[in-house]
Amino acid sequence: DPKIIQKPKYLVAVTGSEKILICEQYLGHNAMYWYRQSAKKPLEFMFSYSYQKLMDNQTASSRFQPQSSKKNHLDLQITALKPDDSATYFCASSQGTPSAETLYFGSGTRLTVL
Amino acid sequence: GQQVKQSSPSLTVQEGGILILNCDYENDMFDYFAWYKKYPDNSPTLLISVRSNVDKREDGRFTVFLNKSGKHFSLHITASQPEDTAVYLCAAGASGNNRIFFGDGTQLVVKP
Repeated sequence: DPKIIQKPKYLVAVTGSEKILICEQYLGHNAMYWYRQSAKKPLEFMFSYSYQKLMDNQTASSRFQPQSSKKNHLDLQITALKPDDSATYFCASSQGTPSAETLYFGSGTRLTVL
Repeated sequence: GQQVKQSSPSLTVQEGGILILNCDYENDMFDYFAWYKKYPDNSPTLLISVRSNVDKREDGRFTVFLNKSGKHFSLHITASQPEDTAVYLCAAGASGNNRIFFGDGTQLVVKP
């Protein structure tokens, strides 16, 4: 059974719309992250949360807003969607810092913005 | 600029062979180095990692070699198998930092 659940697996949106990407982890980890992989680009760090608090933010645009309603949830709200936002978004978690503990990834949400 | 770079986008080898995947990094503060494996439409999973206090770590058929002075690390796979066919991502980070930086990936194909 997958330990990090991301929903939906595929998502198509129109430019200007808003979407929420869901992530739940059942590994009992305290830290959660969002990464993004766009076409022909490496996997890129976006946000990190620890105990439901924002620890690090690499995303310049305020259109991307993480939301943590529970310790094991970290959703990603994206507003005013643009075609350049098309990418696979991976949620991840770790027990401690990812340089000390294994980083586990979900299976990703593939977002296409038309 | 990109913090971690993989020079080879793809590599094809015959089953049973030895192969080497390479990765270069920029940041002197990095002290954690890892290789992830990714199958199509699947999530990256940690294959092997090493900290900067050692220059080599072996786990079965997989060995990571670290060259800190050259800012370079590599993954050696022996007795390659068709099941090793996947994208291999190198990654690096610094202690206490929440970010892990990834390379573009190398698509490895092991032919039976």
